[in-house]
Amino acid sequence: EDKVVQSPLSLVVHEGDTVTLNCSYEVTNFRSLLWYKQEKKAPTFLFMLTSSGIEKKSGRLSSILDKKELFSILNITATQTGDSAVYLCAVYSGDKLTFGTGTRLAVRP
Amino acid sequence: NAGVMQNPRHLVRRRGQEARLRCSPVKGHSHVYWYRQLPEEGLKFMVYLQKENIIDESGMPKERFSAEFPKEGPSILRIQQVVRGDSAAYFCASSPKHGSSYNSPLHFGNGTRLTVT
Repeated sequence: EDKVVQSPLSLVVHEGDTVTLNCSYEVTNFRSLLWYKQEKKAPTFLFMLTSSGIEKKSGRLSSILDKKELFSILNITATQTGDSAVYLCAVYSGDKLTFGTGTRLAVRP
Repeated sequence: NAGVMQNPRHLVRRRGQEARLRCSPVKGHSHVYWYRQLPEEGLKFMVYLQKENIIDESGMPKERFSAEFPKEGPSILRIQQVVRGDSAAYFCASSPKHGSSYNSPLHFGNGTRLTVT
C-alpha cells in the first residue's frame, strides 16, 4: 500500500521564524510529489516536484525532492500569521494521488 | 470561475438517510476524483472515475457507498443509510484525461461537509 508520512504533525512558531516541513514516501510507481496548503476549505496547490535536487521557489516558500532517499522538504522563511494552515504532501503513484496526514502550522504574532 | 464546483457546501442527514454529493468538474475535464477528509486527518482517496466508467474504487467502503460520473451532468457520490462515522468533508477534483494527471496538479473543489446526526 502506498504511504506518505509527514512530520512534525504540528508546529507552533513566531512570526519571522523559518520552518521546515518534512515528507517521506513509499509508493509503488512514483510519478511526482506535490505540496498543498489547506486553510478552511479546499487544498490549494503550492508545488509539484518530479526531479531530484531541483529547488522550486515561490516567494518565501521553497521545496526540494530527494528521490534516492524518498523525501521532500517544504521551507517557509520569515513566516507570517497568514502562513498558518495545514500543509499537505501528496504523491502520484500511477494516476492516484496519495496524501499524508499533514503538518498543522500555527504562526503566532 | 470555471473551477471544480461542489454542492451542497453543507449537508445534514439523520442516521439511516441517504446523502448525495455532487461535483461538476472543470469544463472539458473527463476525469473526477473523490477524497474524504475526517477531522484532523489528511485526504483519503476514495474513487477515480472517467465519464461513465469507474477506473479505481480501491478507497471506497464496500457497502453503502457508490459513485457515478454520467455522460451528461455532474459526478455523484451516494452514501446510503448514513452513520455517524460518515461525518466528514468530501472533496472532489478533476483532471483533463487519463495518463496526464501526474503531469499536472489536481485542483479541488471547496468540498461538501456532511454531518450525520
